[in-house]
Amino acid sequence: AQTVTQSQPEMSVQEAETVTLSCTYDTSENNYYLFWYKQPPSRQMILVIRQEAYKQQNATENRFSVNFQKAAKSFSLKISDSQLGDTAMYFCAFSDSGTYKYIFGTGTRLKVLA
Amino acid sequence: DTGVSQDPRHKITKRGQNVTFRCDPISEHNRLYWYRQTLGQGPEFLTYFQNEAQLEKSRLLSDRFSAERPKGSFSTLEIQRTEQGDSAMYLCASSLGGTTDTQYFGPGTRLTVL
Repeated sequence: AQTVTQSQPEMSVQEAETVTLSCTYDTSENNYYLFWYKQPPSRQMILVIRQEAYKQQNATENRFSVNFQKAAKSFSLKISDSQLGDTAMYFCAFSDSGTYKYIFGTGTRLKVLA
Repeated sequence: DTGVSQDPRHKITKRGQNVTFRCDPISEHNRLYWYRQTLGQGPEFLTYFQNEAQLEKSRLLSDRFSAERPKGSFSTLEIQRTEQGDSAMYLCASSLGGTTDTQYFGPGTRLTVL
């Protein structure tokens, strides 16, 4: 069975600094998708970035980028120039190409400090 | 595009009562998912629909839970004879389908069972 592990329950970063959130996963599949979602306090989950496993190039979306290491089954999220609005729970999620359902990690609570 | 909507946003009920939640997906999205999220945890998959067909159910979905998606549009999730352990946030998500299957989440329905 696939699993997703986020080993950092909480993190904090100073405004304008860079922070990296870790995620590891376990699967025997070769074709799958990985996601980072952001869940601000009392607000709905928003997609931050996605990565297709068959793509070697790491995905980037403005200040957000990932370090995808397929062999190590690692998928970390880097947030550059952190902003107060980045304060949220961040969830890593896995989806294989057959079932479509997401398997989520337990989340990392990120606090950006002014 | 108004996004995924869920109703009600909050529901307080007494143990043993039945409750029903509604989810309206993004129009033209073929897939609809239900997840449950308890405090401090990532969302857990419950079930999903491809149009009106319910294609997968988690073992978390006991026989007290039933979900429908008539005509492949909105979906309802009913919990019969609620228990205190059912207290959670119930999230709905929808996706367009196909291989690039990114899910878009609603704001959730927070259920409290007294």
